[in-house]
Amino acid sequence: DQQVKQNSPSLSVQEGRISILNCDYTNSMFDYFLWYKKYPAEGPTFLISISSIKDKNEDGRFTVFLNKSAKHLSLHIVPSQPGDSAVYFCAASSGGSNYKLTFGKGTLLTVNP
Amino acid sequence: NAGVTQTPKFQVLKTGQSMTLQCAQDMNHEYMSWYRQDPGMGLRLIHYSVGAGITDQGEVPNGYNVSRSTTEDFPLRLLSAAPSQTSVYFCASRDRGPYEQYFGPGTRLTVT
Repeated sequence: DQQVKQNSPSLSVQEGRISILNCDYTNSMFDYFLWYKKYPAEGPTFLISISSIKDKNEDGRFTVFLNKSAKHLSLHIVPSQPGDSAVYFCAASSGGSNYKLTFGKGTLLTVNP
Repeated sequence: NAGVTQTPKFQVLKTGQSMTLQCAQDMNHEYMSWYRQDPGMGLRLIHYSVGAGITDQGEVPNGYNVSRSTTEDFPLRLLSAAPSQTSVYFCASRDRGPYEQYFGPGTRLTVT
């Protein structure tokens, strides 16, 4: 049973527009959420995170929104750039055990020039 | 800082062979983990360690062994390789607190 779901395998947007990547979770014990970005043949790199006590966290062009009642989070990238083209993974952890992450399957974002 | 390093980058094994995937970090992180990534799947946790001498199983531990004799190193051993273990393996580390994990570049393993 998949506890972290990214239902869109791929997303294509134009350069300069907003990219919105979505993630749903089923485990109500999750209290910390992270987004990772992965280029081919490289390891995932951390992008942004949010604790369950917040509903929004911003870092430059990247904003993560958390809706606990809906068990839903989203990553907004504004404006999107061609270098943002990568696979984005949503991940979650519970009880402070951030070394045990549960990942979604990922969404391939393509930003077209 | 080299961060998290993994060797080898690529490996081909025959069914039944054993091998060790190496992982090292130079950030003095207490926590280290091994994940595998299969096509169309997210990363799945194999084993993790919360400090030297302490390891535990993750979501998919069968067929793998780990040990943590030093803070820096966290090798993953395949005891008897099977085609189902064909995957890309990532090692990660992090410090105490709700900090992000740092991932290595991965080892692509093929078992024929």
